[in-house]
Amino acid sequence: DAKTTQPPSMDCAEGRAANLPCNHSTISGNEYVYWYRQIHSQGPQYIIHGLKNNETNEMASLIITEDRKSSTLILPHATLRDTAVYYCIVRNSGGSNYKLTFGKGTLLTVNP
Amino acid sequence: NAGVMQNPRHLVRRRGQEARLRCSPMKGHSHVYWYRQLPEEGLKFMVYLQKENIIDESGMPKERFSAEFPKEGPSILRIQQVVRGDSAAYFCASSPLGEGAGNTIYFGEGSWLTVV
Repeated sequence: DAKTTQPPSMDCAEGRAANLPCNHSTISGNEYVYWYRQIHSQGPQYIIHGLKNNETNEMASLIITEDRKSSTLILPHATLRDTAVYYCIVRNSGGSNYKLTFGKGTLLTVNP
Repeated sequence: NAGVMQNPRHLVRRRGQEARLRCSPMKGHSHVYWYRQLPEEGLKFMVYLQKENIIDESGMPKERFSAEFPKEGPSILRIQQVVRGDSAAYFCASSPLGEGAGNTIYFGEGSWLTVV
């Protein structure tokens, strides 16, 4: 699976949009971009995933660049409860893609 | 729809004892995964199981660790003769499929093992 690069930490003001970047320049055509987050002392929580098109659900939006070498997770109105480590993971669509490879992620701190 | 259920949430064991961690996957999911998170480290894959079968245990230590997912009942991660280095958070996850684009993996809240 392709490697991802994320900033180690980010801050965001409560109520504002949080934009978390991820670089995956070696992504291949059959690899999806997945986002999970882990709130302190809890299990990883699935957020969203996409292949080529931008995606939106009740939690967040995922913007993938046209060349697919980077993406941005957007939390439109961040709350204090969104403070967590956010992981960007590139997964093959088949094979051994159950082996999610978690990097260090981005620690997002939402400030009041 | 209940999520992945793990118990116990917290477990304290003395060195040399056995630890048993249980995981009930989400309804309709027949694929189970175990991950471990050591203190101040990232999540690491341990083992992948389907009902009654171990598909991939490449991330599991060769000794003292075993996992099962019987036809009936929860998946069990068993750690024999625990040592202090086994202290970690153990996360179970499940998915409806083993691979493919539709197999989003969902995690439980974890079992925190402390070895004293």
